[in-house]
Amino acid sequence: IAGITQAPTSQILAAGRRMTLRCTQDMRHNAMYWYRQDLGLGLRLIHYSNTAGTTGKGEVPDGYSVSRANTDDFPLTLASAVPSQTSVYFCASSDEAGGPETQYFGPGTRLLVL
Amino acid sequence: GQNIDQPTEMTATEGAIVQINCTYQTSGFNGLFWYQQHAGEAPTFLSYNVLDGLEEKGRFSSFLSRSKGYSYLLLKELQMKDSASYLCAVRGGDYKLSFGAGTTVTVRA
Repeated sequence: IAGITQAPTSQILAAGRRMTLRCTQDMRHNAMYWYRQDLGLGLRLIHYSNTAGTTGKGEVPDGYSVSRANTDDFPLTLASAVPSQTSVYFCASSDEAGGPETQYFGPGTRLLVL
Repeated sequence: GQNIDQPTEMTATEGAIVQINCTYQTSGFNGLFWYQQHAGEAPTFLSYNVLDGLEEKGRFSSFLSRSKGYSYLLLKELQMKDSASYLCAVRGGDYKLSFGAGTTVTVRA
C-alpha cells in the first residue's frame, strides 16, 4: 500500500441499506478526513479525526458516522442510505491538523443510492 | 460561515496563460491551497500561500492578498494535460479546509 486507499471504488446501494466506506493510509498521518463531492458544490467536509481515538463533525455530518480505532483506518458508515447521499466520497489525510502540511486524497468512492 | 468563489469554467489555447481568481470570506485564515483535479481522479496539491505575495513553482504560480480576501492561480505555457478542475481551498480559524466549487479549465489546440 502506498498513500491512501479507499474501498469500494464504486457501489450501487438500495435506499435504507447500511454501507461502510473504507479508508486506509500508510503514511502514519495523524489527521484524517471524509469529504463528499457533488457537481457545482465542491468538496464538503463530513467528519474528521485529528488523531486516533478522536473524531469531529464537519459541515455535512447528518446520516454519517465515523470511528478512528487506530492511526491507519478511518471508515465512514451510512446507517440507512438515502438518495441524497449519492456522491463521490474522498478520504484524505495530513500529518498535522493545523500545520502547513497539505492534505493527500484517496482515489474516491462513487456511490449511487437508488 | 465560509464563502469561496471562483469562476465555473475557463477556456484557453495551448501555450497561452490563464489566471484563475478566487475570492474568499472565512472565519479566520490559516492558509490558502490550490489543488488540481483531473476528471474522475482525486485532487492533488499544487500550491500553498499563507503570507501575501507570489509563490512560483515551475509553470504554476499562486498569489495571495489577505487584506482583499483574494488569490489567483496562474498557469503559464499551457499544455493539453493542464485541462482539469482547479480547486481553491481556504484553511479557516478551525484549521479545516473549505473548498470552492472549482474552475474547469479546457485547453484547446
